[in-house]
Amino acid sequence: GDSVTQMEGPVTLSEEAFLTINCTYTATGYPSLFWYVQYPGEGLQLLLKATKADDKGSNKGFEATYRKETTSFHLEKGSVQVSDSAVYFCALSDLNTGGFKTIFGAGTRLFVKA
Amino acid sequence: NAGVTQTPKFRVLKTGQSMTLLCAQDMNHEYMYWYRQDPGMGLRLIHYSVGEGTTAKGEVPDGYNVSRLKKQNFLLGLESAAPSQTSVYFCASSYSLQGVQETQYFGPGTRLLVL
Repeated sequence: GDSVTQMEGPVTLSEEAFLTINCTYTATGYPSLFWYVQYPGEGLQLLLKATKADDKGSNKGFEATYRKETTSFHLEKGSVQVSDSAVYFCALSDLNTGGFKTIFGAGTRLFVKA
Repeated sequence: NAGVTQTPKFRVLKTGQSMTLLCAQDMNHEYMYWYRQDPGMGLRLIHYSVGEGTTAKGEVPDGYNVSRLKKQNFLLGLESAAPSQTSVYFCASSYSLQGVQETQYFGPGTRLLVL
C-alpha cells in the first residue's frame, strides 16, 4: 500500500541555518504531495503542496519539489528562524485510494536555537 | 469563518465511560476525518466520511463509532473508554477538485486522558 517515510527527528539548528527534511513515498498511482506544519498546541496546517511531477511548492521561504524519479518530496528552507520551530509532516493523497484519504509520515520535530 | 472547531478541548475519563467528541466545519466540505495522534506515530485515521449520511473505517477504527447526520458535523463516539485510547484527537475536513483530494483543514484537537 501507499506509504510515506520521513527523516526522524528531532532536528536542531541554529537560526539562519539551512534546513532539509527528507521525505520519500511509495504510491501505486499519481499522488498529490503535501507538507503540513504543527505548532505547539495546535492542529496541522498546510505549508505547501505539489500535485504533479516536477512541480515545486513554496510558502514562507519553504520549498519542496515533486521528484517522481526518486519518489521524493524533500522540504528545504535557506535560513530558518526560531519561529519555524514546529513538527513537520509529509503526506500524500493518491487518486488510486479514491482521493478520500491522506497518508501522513510520522513527523519531524524541528528546534531552532537563537 | 470559524473553519473546523472541536468540542471539548480536554477531557478526563475513567475506564469504561463513554463520551462523544464533536467536530463542526463551516466550509461546506464534503469530506471529514477523525485522526488520533500519538507520540512518534504521526496521525492515524480512525474513521472518515465522504458525505452526509456516509461513514467508513480508517486505519484504527476499533473501539470508536462515528456519525454524520449533517454535512457540517462529524461525531466520534467512544462507547467504553480504555487507557489505550488516551491520545490527542484531530478532526479535519476537505473537498475534492477534479477527482483529487485538496488540502485538509484541521481543528485544534481534543486531548483525552483515560484513567
